[in-house]
Amino acid sequence: DGGITQSPKYLFRKEGQNVTLSCEQNLNHDAMYWYRQDPGQGLRLIYYSQIVNDFQKGDIAEGYSVSREKKESFPLTVTSAQKNPTAFYLCASSLPGLAYNEQFFGPGTRLTVL
Amino acid sequence: DAKTTQPPSMDCAEGRAANLPCNHSTISGNEYVYWYRQIHSQGPQYIIHGLKNNETNEMASLIITEDRKSSTLILPHATLRDTAVYYCIVRSNQGGKLIFGQGTELSVKP
Repeated sequence: DGGITQSPKYLFRKEGQNVTLSCEQNLNHDAMYWYRQDPGQGLRLIYYSQIVNDFQKGDIAEGYSVSREKKESFPLTVTSAQKNPTAFYLCASSLPGLAYNEQFFGPGTRLTVL
Repeated sequence: DAKTTQPPSMDCAEGRAANLPCNHSTISGNEYVYWYRQIHSQGPQYIIHGLKNNETNEMASLIITEDRKSSTLILPHATLRDTAVYYCIVRSNQGGKLIFGQGTELSVKP
């Protein structure tokens, strides 16, 4: 089945540790996105990538880093510089560019920093 | 990208039509209207999108006013599984990021 996978579903880390969230897709999509969602809020864009080896900051990139070495994979690292990392993280992918290309979302990773 | 305004919550009886409104008075000519929904603790799911004509698919209908300043998502026969937060988004025809507001929390009741 084609789709987007995120692992793990739940992740716990101690304060001050970096943590990397996985996102893999087998939809052959060029564009991939990372969003953060806080309780009762909409999604906010962290980073996005329209093509391999290229990515851009979204609205709340501070304290996060990404890489896009392969088309299928877009891992997100939450660094110790991120002041409030506890949140629900969602990865998405789409065909690039045009507005009629819907975004497909993964199931999300809920990160809790203790 | 233009901003949208949606009511924070709505109720609907099971089997009845759910009509979810959205205002996007600052929408520009090259922006599409998208609807997504998010069931609790899951990733958002695409529902439908349109530019200026009304659209229908297997999930819903989208009615866009002639001046394009507002739209309505219609779920013709709501079921309990339609309980979710519904997001109305406007997006440039150049694609790129989606900007999610707080959405409308729809509760379908038996």
